[in-house]
Amino acid sequence: AQSVTQLDSHVSVSEGTPVLLRCNYSSSYSPSLFWYVQHPNKGLQLLLKYTSAATLVKGINGFEAEFKKSETSFHLTKPSAHMSDAAEYFCVVSDRTGANNLFFGTGTRLTVIP
Amino acid sequence: DTEVTQTPKHLVMGMTNKKSLKCEQHMGHRAMYWYKQKAKKPPELMFVYSYEKLSINESVPSRFSPECPNSSLLNLHLHALQPEDSALYLCASSQDEGGFYEQYFGPGTRLTVT
Repeated sequence: AQSVTQLDSHVSVSEGTPVLLRCNYSSSYSPSLFWYVQHPNKGLQLLLKYTSAATLVKGINGFEAEFKKSETSFHLTKPSAHMSDAAEYFCVVSDRTGANNLFFGTGTRLTVIP
Repeated sequence: DTEVTQTPKHLVMGMTNKKSLKCEQHMGHRAMYWYKQKAKKPPELMFVYSYEKLSINESVPSRFSPECPNSSLLNLHLHALQPEDSALYLCASSQDEGGFYEQYFGPGTRLTVT
């Protein structure tokens, strides 16, 4: 069975400081992992995905995530936060053996302080 | 072009009304999805269409009726809804059904049932 735990419901950072959003997953199979961002009253935008190629995945807008199988983690990072990064972030796991069911974490709200 | 479009953006309907939500993609994707998202929650999968056939119905009440007229279009017909059905309805598409493929989301339709 697949599941995702986002360890922080809310993260607050100052503009220009690093961002770390934590995600742990559980999967019976070799998973695909994704990070999506949702700005208020908008749809979800794919930031990046991991599908068993390089363990360090680079995404859009300066975000990256590292797949660590031993720690079952897929944390999202960015070296320097921008005001426009303020949004809800979802870590998502999908097993590659069956139907395309995405298992969403509960989300982390990122606040960026000027 | 990685765009999924949804119309209308906002919809207010009474409990006796019949209305439809529309979703369109021109990326040649063969899988399309409907999600329901309540405030401050992750999206919940409702339906999956694969190659224009209903693949997954997540035990959704019959007052929601999906339709896939062709590979680019997905509709969600609404009838006799309840106030608790008020939510953001998101459409998504992916290249094919299966966890390897990332999903692209539309901006959503904000539905209010009065």
